[in-house]
Amino acid sequence: GAVVSQHPSRVICKSGTSVKIECRSLDFQATTMFWYRQFPKKSLMLMATSNEGSKATYEQGVEKDKFLINHASLTLSTLTVTSAHPEDSSFYICSAREAGNRQYFGPGTRLTVT
Amino acid sequence: QQPVQSPQAVILREGEDAVINCSSSKALYSVHWYRQKHGEAPVFLMILLKGGEQKGHDKISASFNEKKQQSSLYLTASQLSYSGTYFCGTEQWDRDDKIIFGKGTRLHILP
Repeated sequence: GAVVSQHPSRVICKSGTSVKIECRSLDFQATTMFWYRQFPKKSLMLMATSNEGSKATYEQGVEKDKFLINHASLTLSTLTVTSAHPEDSSFYICSAREAGNRQYFGPGTRLTVT
Repeated sequence: QQPVQSPQAVILREGEDAVINCSSSKALYSVHWYRQKHGEAPVFLMILLKGGEQKGHDKISASFNEKKQQSSLYLTASQLSYSGTYFCGTEQWDRDDKIIFGKGTRLHILP
């Protein structure tokens, strides 16, 4: 199957700092990528839809100024958590959609804000 | 609209069968099934695009009843490796490619 990578896999940062997470589709071009957030033992909550060359579409309740998304190319989307706080600690997962409608997930990034 | 999954959790013995259901209050374009192991990202199992479609590989299969806006995942002769949390993701006709996931069904297989 298609491969999606995320970097870093784990990050610990201090409260007030910003963290950037990268999501790459390695063997296909993805015009659309998605960012999800998952709390322990909970479902994946869609945060935003990232489209190459245009502004991301955020789900209701997600602060666009806090979670900055950039889809610079057909294989790369980035999520920047700005001025991170402990409540932003979570598992962030990206996914990329291929032409055949399948959506493949990256391995996830575990963010811990101290 | 988040799809509803049932049951919330299942405990089986190796070799037993299980059915996981996923239903939506909205008309669906597609249904996606994923399995997630603890601490890992979800792994794609299958996608169902057409009403009445049934798919499967190995001993895991799924059906999609478009009229009833529901899908079921069937695990036959379960193996220890089937343990994990199963999520259905649904795509509505008016949702611009977005997949919304249910709360998941935790499946635990005992030897």
